[in-house]
Amino acid sequence: QVQLVESGGGLVKPGGSLRLSCAASGFTFSDSYMTWIRQAPGKGLEWVSYIGGDGRDTHYADSVKGRFTISRDNARNSLYLQMDSLRVEDTAIYYCLRGHMILPNWGQGTLVTVSS
Amino acid sequence: EIVLTQSPGTLSLSPGERATLSCRASQSVSNSYLAWFQQKPGQAPRLLIYDASSRATGIPDRFSGSGSGTDFTLTVSRLEAEDFAVYYCQQYGSSPYTFGQGTKLEV
Repeated sequence: QVQLVESGGGLVKPGGSLRLSCAASGFTFSDSYMTWIRQAPGKGLEWVSYIGGDGRDTHYADSVKGRFTISRDNARNSLYLQMDSLRVEDTAIYYCLRGHMILPNWGQGTLVTVSS
Repeated sequence: EIVLTQSPGTLSLSPGERATLSCRASQSVSNSYLAWFQQKPGQAPRLLIYDASSRATGIPDRFSGSGSGTDFTLTVSRLEAEDFAVYYCQQYGSSPYTFGQGTKLEV
């Protein structure tokens, strides 16, 4: 069965950086697009980014473009989200998902809090 | 960017009733690439419908999706207690992919 386990969340000051990781198992990782979606506390869902299986096809939401970088290590079955120049409004639970169009598999999420 | 507007914001119904949720796009969603998710408090969202009308694995047939172009609908034919939750639509026809703001279905 598909398992996605996010880690790396925590408290960071505005302007700081954080790197999220997602450990994937139960499917052929290198064949799969992967996606990050976030949800601010008490708010709705926001699509953040996706990456193709070979890492060359990447797309970002306008709100994070130029600040966040999605990447992957297929040898480690791992997905990453490097978050720089963090803002208070980036505070959210970040979910890792398999796929980029149809999204049936969600991780449990990791909480990122940006606060001084 | 395609903006999705869901209505109503809150829908108050009773078990056994029929629920109709709307999702309107600011421009046409290509190939009807629209999904519906259900989210309960403290849980990750769950995929209900993809490609506007296809039910995801394990989703009961009381959930159905319809629509094309700019207007989409999620229908729950006979509400059960576990259906009261927040519902989101999402388009994946053009990047950046976007979500609606959600409809809360309450008793």
